[in-house]
Order: sequence, then structure tokens, then C-alpha cells
Amino acid sequence: NAGVTQTPKFQVLKTGQSMTLQCAQDMNHNSMYWYRQDPGMGLRLIYYSASEGTTDKGEVPNGYNVSRLNKREFSLRLESAAPSQTSVYFCASSYQDREGYEQYFGPGTRLTVT
Amino acid sequence: GENVEQHPSTLSVQEGDSAVIKCTYSDSASNYFPWYKQELGKRPQLIIDIRSNVGEKKDQRIAVTLNKTAKHFSLHITETQPEDSAVYFCAAKRPFGPGGYNKLIFGAGTRLAVHP
Repeated sequence: NAGVTQTPKFQVLKTGQSMTLQCAQDMNHNSMYWYRQDPGMGLRLIYYSASEGTTDKGEVPNGYNVSRLNKREFSLRLESAAPSQTSVYFCASSYQDREGYEQYFGPGTRLTVT
Repeated sequence: GENVEQHPSTLSVQEGDSAVIKCTYSDSASNYFPWYKQELGKRPQLIIDIRSNVGEKKDQRIAVTLNKTAKHFSLHITETQPEDSAVYFCAAKRPFGPGGYNKLIFGAGTRLAVHP
């Protein structure tokens, strides 16, 4: 099993450009998440998908959109990139339940917006 | 909304010493508290977790304690080794319900350095 995979690993964008970050998991998880990680600020939830066909906003959704393409894939789109979106982006997945399950993280995408 | 505070932000210990990282949470209904370890340039990985119906959990050199009354939980690492050097994140899960599906709120992280 590959676990959670993300593409690309690195990306440099100019202000105003758009791009889509791809995420896939092969663990048959119901829930998927997108986080951003900035120095000294931990992991902040951008969007999540509790199950196939549903998405919802997290703590910092502004400037992003998501698509849960199917049970395996969850993409994050930046329509018009801004320097404030320079960050490391992690996708994660987990089983969905009442009590909480481990979230498995992908390797991350390091995005720089100039 | 839910807030998780983590202290200290950096911690330096000698090999063999113990290390303790503390977190407080604001939502008294939170019911799941995982700890993640992130090595430099790597992804976060779960090292231990605790649920609200348990006061303490131990796994070899790592233990977590939970005080629901005070709304805080702590990570204890004994007999630290250089390979324990990493950033550690605590998190709290909002309870099940609209908007609550396994959604974690993370602390800002603690950078632990273990010196030989």
C-alpha cells in the first residue's frame, strides 16, 4: 500500500496563477483533509471531506476550493495564488467515526508564491 | 471555536533525561487527543493517543495523561534518545456532530532537541 500520496512535491507560482494539488489514498478511508503548515503555527485545517460526496470548510478556507473526486481522491485548488499562501500543504485521511481515528498524512507539497 | 495551546515551544534535554510537553484545550466536550511526531522535512506521524474515558496511556517510553477537569493533557517521554529529536504536536478532536467528524485542532508544536 502506498498510503497517502500527493503531487507535486514542490511548486513555485507567480501571484495570480492557479494550480491544483492532488491527493490520493489507498486505505479505503472515508474522510480526507487538507492542512497547511506554517512555521510556529502548527497544522491548520483548510477543508475536509467527511465522506465521499461531502466537503466542508475548516479553519482557513479563504482562497481555496476542493473537490472530492471519488473515495480515493481529494484535490485542493488555488484559483489565484497569493504570497500569503506560501506554505507546506499536507493531505490526510482517516476512518470516520465518533471516537476519533488516526489521521494518516501524505508527504506534503511545498508551495512558494512569488 | 476550539483552541489548543501547547507549551513549551522549544525544549532541550540531555540524552537519558525525561521530557514533558503540555497542552490545554478549550472545548470541554473534546473526546480524543492524539500526539503526532514530525521529523525534519517529513510528514507528521501518530505516536500515541488517548480518549476521554481514559486518564493515562503508556507505550514503552512514551506516556500521555489526561485531566478532563482541568482540560489539559501531557506527553511524557522517558530515557530520551537523540532520535526523539523532532517537532511534537498535540491535537484535540471536536465531538461528533455537524462539523465534528474527526476534525482535529492542533497545537502550535514543540521542538524537542535531545543532546548526546
